[in-house]
Order: sequence, then C-alpha cells, then structure tokens
Amino acid sequence: AQSVAQPEDQVNVAEGNPLTVKCTYSVSGNPYLFWYVQYPNRGLQFLLKYITGDNLVKGSYGFEAEFNKSQTSFHLKKPSALVSDSALYFCAVREDDSGYALNFGKGTSLLVTP
Amino acid sequence: GAVVSQHPSWVICKSGTSVKIECRSLDFQATTMFWYRQFPKQSLMLMATSNEGSKATYEQGVEKDKFLINHASLTLSTLTVTSAHPEDSSFYICSATLRLTSYNEQFFGPGTRLTVL
Repeated sequence: AQSVAQPEDQVNVAEGNPLTVKCTYSVSGNPYLFWYVQYPNRGLQFLLKYITGDNLVKGSYGFEAEFNKSQTSFHLKKPSALVSDSALYFCAVREDDSGYALNFGKGTSLLVTP
Repeated sequence: GAVVSQHPSWVICKSGTSVKIECRSLDFQATTMFWYRQFPKQSLMLMATSNEGSKATYEQGVEKDKFLINHASLTLSTLTVTSAHPEDSSFYICSATLRLTSYNEQFFGPGTRLTVL
C-alpha cells in the first residue's frame, strides 16, 4: 500500500521569507514523488518530480524539493516566497511498479502575506 | 508543457438529468486519461482510469453505471454523470499522461464544476 501525508493544513509565511511545505510518504517499493499546485477553481499544475538521481530536485517557479529516503520525506521549498505563491499544494506518490495512478495528500494551503 | 482542456468549465443541471464532461489533450496523444473528483478543501480522489479503445477501470466504490467513461480517441475522453443528484455536485478533474510509464507526470485539465440542483 502507498500513502502520502501532508501534516499541515495551512502554512503562513511573509513575502520574501523562505517557505517549506511538508510531505511524508509510505511505499513498499521505490517511490515516485510529485508536487502539484492548484489555484482556486483551477486544475493542478505540475511543479516537480523525483524519480531517481539527485535528492534535490528543482522545479517550476523557483520551487525545489528534497528527497530524504531515511525520513521518507519530500518537502517542498522555496528560498523567497511571493504573494503569488499563495495556493493549494499537493504532494503525490506512486510506487515504481504499482501502475500509473497517483495517490495524493490532502493538500496544504499556503498563504504568503505582503 | 502538454495542455489538457476540459469542457464545460462549469455546469448547473437539474436533478435526474445527465451531464457530459469532455477532456481533451490538445498537443499530444494520451493513451491513458484519469478522472478525479475533488470535494471542497479536500484532496483529489481517483475515480477511474481510461485507456483509449478499451473499458475504463473504476476505483472501488465508484459506480460505473453512474459515471460513464468513454475514451474513443487518443485525444478525447468523456465522463457522463447519469441521472445526476445533488450529492454528485463536485469538482471533476481529468488528467492525461504523455506516455504510459509510471514515472511520467500527469497533465491536468482545469476542472469542471458540477452543481446539481
């Protein structure tokens, strides 16, 4: 079985400060990990993914995520937050041999204040 | 990146009627499309996996006779909510994968807001 947890319902950060959105996962095989962002009444936009290789993955809009196998985490980070980053962020996981459907976390709402 | 569209973006219908939602991959051929349902402030729940030219695979608890999925071409999948009821009101999102490998990201449509009166 595979699952993903986003422990924070909401993250608040001031513009210009670094941000972190947490994600932990549970799989029995090798994980494929993804981050998506959703703006109100919109579909999901792909930010980045980890398949293999470097643990630090760089993605769209200045976001990056660090894969930590020992802690089974894949936290999303950005060095300097923008007000326009305010949105709903979803972490998703898939096992390498479990098919193609994604298992999503419940989402974390990010609010960046001016 | 690859673009996926959905039509309509929102629809309001009376209870008992059927509603069709289209999902199109605009600039690539998608052998597999996925249909998700999202309730307010909740995550996406996979409803079914749709493969071109074959029957859709439904997740446990999803009524296949109520949510009819057709994937007639490599660029179009449709979801028909039959005999809709207020509890079917939700945000429906489709996604498509460029190539059928587990490590490829899915490209999501903008979603369709369904309100059943």
